Amino acid sequence: AQSVTQPDIHITVSEGASLELRCNYSYGATPYLFWYVQSPGQGLQLLLKYFSGDTLVQGIKGFEAEFKRSQSSFNLRKPSVHWSDAAEYFCAVGGNQGGKLIFGQGTELSVKP
Amino acid sequence: DAMVIQNPRYQVTQFGKPVTLSCSQTLNHNVMYWYQQKSSQAPKLLFHYYDKDFNNEADTPDNFQSRRPNTSFCFLDIRSPGLGDAAMYLCATSSGPSHNEQFFGPGTRLTVL
Repeated sequence: AQSVTQPDIHITVSEGASLELRCNYSYGATPYLFWYVQSPGQGLQLLLKYFSGDTLVQGIKGFEAEFKRSQSSFNLRKPSVHWSDAAEYFCAVGGNQGGKLIFGQGTELSVKP
Repeated sequence: DAMVIQNPRYQVTQFGKPVTLSCSQTLNHNVMYWYQQKSSQAPKLLFHYYDKDFNNEADTPDNFQSRRPNTSFCFLDIRSPGLGDAAMYLCATSSGPSHNEQFFGPGTRLTVL
């Protein structure tokens, strides 16, 4: 079955600290992987995506993610978190199936001063 | 800027009173999606249009319908809203049905009294 797992429901980090949000996927074909961020009461904004090529992907707002096929993972990282990064983060996988995205349950990030 | 617009941002309706949510896009994308997102949950795909072709998810209740009169506009109709339909409704677009990224609108928060 196709699925996305984000093991951490809620993470709290101190401002300036590094961040890693975990994402594991199960997908029968070549996966296309995405990270979206959602601020309260807002829509989803794309942070970065992986389709092919270099497995380390750079995104907006200083985020990056690394695709590891052997581990079926696509973890999101940021070297230094800012208070404005507090939001909900969703990992998603898609492919050649009508463009449907399968979302993980999301990880809520809190940033403490 | 090209974008996805949803109106209204907040909608209050009464139990059983039909309601229509609107989505428009200036991206000229072929595919438009409607998602339902309940509190602290991942977005759940209700249906999508690829041009004029309507694709309903198997578990989308009959209470939810959609119309796409032209490329730019797509509507979500809830024929008889129940308390369980209170949620954020997200519209998204994509340039193709394959692995293209989806662009999300800001959402409409629906309250059912």
